[in-house]
Amino acid sequence: EPEVTQTPSHQVTQMGQEVILRCVPISNHLYFYWYRQILGQKVEFLVSFYNNEISEKSEIFDDQFSVERPDGSNFTLKIRSTKLEDSAMYFCASSGSSGGARTGELFFGEGSRLTVL
Amino acid sequence: AQKVTQAQTEISVVEKEDVTLDCVYETRDTTYYLFWYKQPPSGELVFLIRRNSFDEQNEISGRYSWNFQKSTSSFNFTITASQVVDSAVYFCALTPAGGTSYGKLTFGQGTILTVHP
Repeated sequence: EPEVTQTPSHQVTQMGQEVILRCVPISNHLYFYWYRQILGQKVEFLVSFYNNEISEKSEIFDDQFSVERPDGSNFTLKIRSTKLEDSAMYFCASSGSSGGARTGELFFGEGSRLTVL
Repeated sequence: AQKVTQAQTEISVVEKEDVTLDCVYETRDTTYYLFWYKQPPSGELVFLIRRNSFDEQNEISGRYSWNFQKSTSSFNFTITASQVVDSAVYFCALTPAGGTSYGKLTFGQGTILTVHP
């Protein structure tokens, strides 16, 4: 069964360092997302991406964050200068079309746990 | 603004019991989608179901069933004859159906389900 894959599964970094989290969405999907989950809290939307552009972003997704689809398969989330409060599980998700609309099922990867020290 | 409320923080049952997880939502959108995800102890988010706001038919998949009641803005999830492997956090989520907002999921706080042998 196709799946969304994420790397690394866990990254530990020092405050102020740059971090890149990588995702390989399901191959025929066109819409990509990043979410995060701070430990013990609910999952929060960060950004959605389609056709090499950000579609929507939340208030959390400030100038420290950026996303990119550098090639035909990867989708990355970059945090430019990490803060302690960026420690969380980051989930990538992708969805395809349904009946020609962008309303396909949304599948998540296994997550990348980021720990900022 | 959208809101999803899962009033049950934790539920504990004994194997073979039936259990219902409640989900109540608020939205101003006329069309929307509702989702349920399972988050086992390993941390990934596992897709369970997606339901269009136009489709109020209940759905059954094996031991899982979902009751969508638009009149009460509820989308409840029942596990019949629960098993230890059902122990997880379950999230209900909501997204608008239209335009670029699809996939911008608003999650509930989650319900921790523990099934004891």
